Amino acid sequence: TQLLEQSPQFLSIQEGENLTVYCNSSSVFSSLQWYRQEPGEGPVLLVTVVTGGEVKKLKRLTFQFGDARKDSSLHITAAQPGDTGLYLCAGEENSGGSNYKLTFGKGTLLTVNP
Amino acid sequence: GAVVSQHPSWVICKSGTSVKIECRSLDFQATTMFWYRQFPKQSLMLMATSNEGSKATYEQGVEKDKFLINHASLTLSTLTVTSAHPEDSSFYICSASILGRETQYFGPGTRLLVL
Repeated sequence: TQLLEQSPQFLSIQEGENLTVYCNSSSVFSSLQWYRQEPGEGPVLLVTVVTGGEVKKLKRLTFQFGDARKDSSLHITAAQPGDTGLYLCAGEENSGGSNYKLTFGKGTLLTVNP
Repeated sequence: GAVVSQHPSWVICKSGTSVKIECRSLDFQATTMFWYRQFPKQSLMLMATSNEGSKATYEQGVEKDKFLINHASLTLSTLTVTSAHPEDSSFYICSASILGRETQYFGPGTRLLVL
């Protein structure tokens, strides 16, 4: 099983600030996904990146996939209290035959204070 | 579309009893379902992958005799925690996908507390 290192683990900022979360691996994944999870709920998919060098934007969120497809970053501009949550990156890898599985990073717990 | 439900949403049980958690895909047929466990303030750890009609594939370190998984239909998978102990208390989340490689759709999770 490949491993994903996510940093920082905890982040507490003021409303309006910018932040970046990093997700790094020593191996290549088929694709990399970013999720946001609120307490007591399942994770919700934000974006999937597949191509090296790919950049995707989702309102104030910008996702980048490294050229080598081993690392990714999530940048949030002008963070708002509603952005508070656990952000998870997950790499997709073949687990045998036609089966694929996700390996999750440890997550970044973001708190945006008003 | 692509809604996954779990039942129950939370359960409290006594040590030594068994607990069954259901995962249903409500508006699609899930050929593959996944079961994850998440401890407080930690990430999701994959426990097992199950394909409809076949035995589940368990991740290393997960006891197959303790965590029984059944995926008898394309819309339902169950996880039974047998002889539960306090250390099994966790947040159990399932996800479902079509054809094994499509996006995984996650359920809302089941909070298990073993006393």
